[in-house]
Amino acid sequence: QSALTQPASVSGSPGQSITISCTGTSSDVGTTNYVSWYQHYPGKAPKVMIYHVSNRPSGVSNRFSGSKSGNTASLTISGLQTEDEADYYCISYTGSSGFVFGTGTKVSVL
Amino acid sequence: QVQLQQSGPGLVKPSQTLSLTCAISGDSVSSNSAGWDWIRQSPSRGLEWLGRTYYRSRWYYEYALSVRSRITITPDTSRNQFSLQLDSVTPEDTALYHCARDFGYLDSWGQGTLVTVSS
Repeated sequence: QSALTQPASVSGSPGQSITISCTGTSSDVGTTNYVSWYQHYPGKAPKVMIYHVSNRPSGVSNRFSGSKSGNTASLTISGLQTEDEADYYCISYTGSSGFVFGTGTKVSVL
Repeated sequence: QVQLQQSGPGLVKPSQTLSLTCAISGDSVSSNSAGWDWIRQSPSRGLEWLGRTYYRSRWYYEYALSVRSRITITPDTSRNQFSLQLDSVTPEDTALYHCARDFGYLDSWGQGTLVTVSS
């Protein structure tokens, strides 16, 4: 049950689009629709931005979208804003071993 | 709207047991659709899912491989809460611990409890 692989950092200018990848295996990301994404400020409780691969909770901006292809899930932030600067984590259900988080990605707005 | 209120000590000695409780309001620990999870965060490890319990005609338990030999999550239906017990702690278990509700994703979180493992 290894952590899912995310890039350590992704950056973009205001208004641009960025995509964060979350790579797992056929035992987790590749086999489930229980993939979700969280915006996290250290010391605070994370906030769900996308659930079940591509669903957006009410109140979350439609600039956030999710998708999945094979063993890799992706979070796209379009129209990047300074308030989007945060850490982002994916999480996937693995079946026998519960859930596993990604390694986390720091998003910077240049 | 569900609220999760955590309680428990913030300091635990090495080799002892870490114990935290999460009291639920606005939902039931015996819900047939929700799960009840424990997660921790630390600068070195980021976010780490530890385990969960859920009720689907009987109680189920799932634990992360990294802590499976040391962890117990227990539901308490009489008090509508669930608890975390982590045995034989070391300084590497120092972290901010959260409880959370899950529907296949973590939608509500407790306020967090900073637990330091130190003598």
